[in-house]
Amino acid sequence: QKEVEQNSGPLSVPEGAIASLNCTYSDRVSQSFFWYRQYSGKSPELIMSIYSNGDKEDGRFTAQLNKASQYVSLLIRDSQPSDSATYLCAVINQGYSSASKIIFGSGTRLSIRP
Amino acid sequence: DTEVTQTPKHLVMGMTNKKSLKCEQHMGHRAMYWYKQKAKKPPELMFVYSYEKLSINESVPSRFSPECPNSSLLNLHLHALQPEDSALYLCASSQVGPNTQYFGPGTRLTVL
Repeated sequence: QKEVEQNSGPLSVPEGAIASLNCTYSDRVSQSFFWYRQYSGKSPELIMSIYSNGDKEDGRFTAQLNKASQYVSLLIRDSQPSDSATYLCAVINQGYSSASKIIFGSGTRLSIRP
Repeated sequence: DTEVTQTPKHLVMGMTNKKSLKCEQHMGHRAMYWYKQKAKKPPELMFVYSYEKLSINESVPSRFSPECPNSSLLNLHLHALQPEDSALYLCASSQVGPNTQYFGPGTRLTVL
């Protein structure tokens, strides 16, 4: 079982709709969760970070965390063509007292169709 | 300011060359990272420096040699690379601990 799992996609969503990206993780002691957006040929860009159960909203983006179900999601409202990218779910586990080791999912390719 | 800079943007080298990748941040972060990313794959961790000391080495071949000369700079020295080492090399930095990592723009490396 992979430590962080995402559907690879592509996920195709019409412009203006809500895009829903999902991620599950295997280590119950995971404590920090991130969503990165990566355009082709570019570096990952932080979209959201979430540390506690519930929802966290930032503009058109909402991250949701459910530690009991070991599930984290990203909702993108009013999807725009510029949202077309690969979205990487990332998790940091406890146990690294000095340096943090991110575990990345394989990424979900999102395509917003006009 | 959450900027991490990397030079060069692109690098083409032969298998007998020696070259270095450079990374710099001025956010006061004391943890810095090197990742390797192949096309359509997530970044793979190579090295982690914490307080300028090598903290994590993910069993990377010795032809990759990291160096952290001070708290703002991170280098990756390359020697006798193979064509399969061609990839996007990413630097990142963070506060020490399970905190957000900020990525630089990357160096696109091609080994001929």
